[in-house]
Amino acid sequence: AQSVTQLGSHVSVSEGALVLLRCNYSSSVPPYLFWYVQYPNQGLQLLLKYTSAATLVKGINGFEAEFKKSETSFHLTKPSAHMSDAAEYFCAVSEIGMRFGAGTRLTVKP
Amino acid sequence: DSGVTQTPKHLITATGQRVTLRCSPRSGDLSVYWYQQSLDQGLQFLIQYYNGEERAKGNILERFSAQQFPDLHSELNLSSLELGDSALYFCASSPTGARAGELFFGEGSRLTVL
Repeated sequence: AQSVTQLGSHVSVSEGALVLLRCNYSSSVPPYLFWYVQYPNQGLQLLLKYTSAATLVKGINGFEAEFKKSETSFHLTKPSAHMSDAAEYFCAVSEIGMRFGAGTRLTVKP
Repeated sequence: DSGVTQTPKHLITATGQRVTLRCSPRSGDLSVYWYQQSLDQGLQFLIQYYNGEERAKGNILERFSAQQFPDLHSELNLSSLELGDSALYFCASSPTGARAGELFFGEGSRLTVL
């Protein structure tokens, strides 16, 4: 079964700094990959998805992710963190049921 | 607003009891997914329905069951509740076509078992 692993359960950055959230997938074929965000007391919301059309995927709120087959990675980045980015971020792989990683909590310091 | 409605938002019950969680998907979405989110287990996939038929099963306990009705709303039934069933239960729906696989989540039903 396909799976994703998120490296780092908690990431803390300063406002204006680069955000890098790491995700690696395990699959012998390029999967469909997703990043979701969960704000406190809310459901998850889709940030972006990779479907093999392009390796660099742009999402909402200035986030983007790059699919690297050689590294089996799909890391999420944002050039400049904003306070409103503080949330939990989940990487997911599309298989029957959509499997989510353990999540990374992003804290943004003023 | 994702367009997915879950009721109730909060539920407190006792061990051994049975509860039903309800989900109305986005208009036009045929797929409904159920997830359980807890601090120790993370986000666990329970079950998926597509147009009334069970499509996939995840880590769903035998004490739990679900169904999707002809109007596409879905219910998750949890019985013989245990303390460890306390969690946030999410429903998500997904469209077909080009956006297949994109999940739209409700705000969840928080279950507390005392």
